[in-house]
Amino acid sequence: DIVMTQSPLSLPVTPGEPASISCRSSQSLLHSNGFNYLDWFLQKPGQSPHLLIYLGSNRSSGVPDRFSGSGSGTDFTLTISRVEAEDVGIYYCMQARQGYTFGQGTKLEIK
Amino acid sequence: QVQLVESGGGVVQPGRSLRLSCEVSGIIFSNYAMHWVRQAPGKGLEWVGVISYDGSNKYYADSVKGRFTISRDNSKNTLYLQMSSLRAEDTAVYYCARDGVEAAPPYYRGMDVWGQGTTVTVSS
Repeated sequence: DIVMTQSPLSLPVTPGEPASISCRSSQSLLHSNGFNYLDWFLQKPGQSPHLLIYLGSNRSSGVPDRFSGSGSGTDFTLTISRVEAEDVGIYYCMQARQGYTFGQGTKLEIK
Repeated sequence: QVQLVESGGGVVQPGRSLRLSCEVSGIIFSNYAMHWVRQAPGKGLEWVGVISYDGSNKYYADSVKGRFTISRDNSKNTLYLQMSSLRAEDTAVYYCARDGVEAAPPYYRGMDVWGQGTTVTVSS
């Protein structure tokens, strides 16, 4: 089974500052088709999760362009260029290369 | 507007069964594979299983394999999760989610629409 490890688990950020979350997988998520099967989700307080990024770097519909995803193989990063108050919540990475596995989650809070 | 509405949650005793439903509207339901994902109280997300668009293929997490069964009725635009031999550790909010389809290869778009969830509590 592929294990997903996120860091940090807690991320206090000042509004307007950048933030980044790391996600590492125990096996490569790079498919022979050239795509990395790594997605990012945000679960805001009291809400269902929603998709931010799919295939490592593709923003889902309606996601602000301050969110970006990068990485390949086993190392991935979600970057928020300028954090806003509405970005608070728990961020999860998920691999879809072999079955589906979520990371532990990273709680972003505003300083 | 795409909507996924889960129902059927409740309190159930260990060892008993429960069936969850996820009613889908706003899309051609039969075009999409569907997932179940759960979240135990205060914990992270755990994938439960997936069913193909036509119901011919199903895959499950090891933690529920042999106890849970996913099915769908495309004529009713409804997804189901039949849970049996329930355990305390199955206590969670259960979400259904659409497996999105991109217009271009590799046609993958992730779990792009989620329901609001239904709560299952397994307790004596």
